Amino acid sequence: NAGVTQTPKFQVLKTGQSMTLQCAQDMNHEYMSWYRQDPGMGLRLIHYSVGAGITDQGEVPNGYNVSRSTTEDFPLRLLSAAPSQTSVYFCASSLASGGWNEQFFGPGTRLTVL
Amino acid sequence: KNEVEQSPQNLTAQEGEFITINCSYSVGISALHWLQQHPGGGIVSLFMLSSGKKKHGRLIATINIQEKHSSLHITASHPRDSAVYICAVSRGGSRLTFGEGTQLTVNP
Repeated sequence: NAGVTQTPKFQVLKTGQSMTLQCAQDMNHEYMSWYRQDPGMGLRLIHYSVGAGITDQGEVPNGYNVSRSTTEDFPLRLLSAAPSQTSVYFCASSLASGGWNEQFFGPGTRLTVL
Repeated sequence: KNEVEQSPQNLTAQEGEFITINCSYSVGISALHWLQQHPGGGIVSLFMLSSGKKKHGRLIATINIQEKHSSLHITASHPRDSAVYICAVSRGGSRLTFGEGTQLTVNP
């Protein structure tokens, strides 16, 4: 199994550009989520999904969209990039909803918005 | 005040030392997670626990639900243990609330 994969690993955008961060898992996990990691702060939840066709907002959803058309894929879209979105983005998945499920993380995408 | 507080923020140790990282939380939880973030950035799950103690190799995690406190111990530390250790809590759903992490450096 490849686990959780993310592309790209690095990305530089100009303010106002849009892009999609890709996330895929091959473990048939129901729960998937996107986090951002900023210096001096813990990981913060952007959006999450408890299954195909179901998504919901997390702690910091503004400026981001998600969709979940398949169990495997959970892309994160930046609609109009802003410098405040410079961060490291992690996708994670777990077998099911519920705090007792081990979370598996992707390798991260380092995004810089100029 | 953050719901999850870790201490210390930074920790430097000599190889072979016993290490303790602390995590305090202020809400009722269903599970507490300890994660390790490698220098390259990858994050892996070390432990999930809701009571008592768990051990995996040289790593031990304990939790005291009444005191809302957990500790991660590393015995016989090694330079390869150098990483950021992150505590996270779940309040019943899958949403986790994370601490800021503890940067551990183990010198040879």
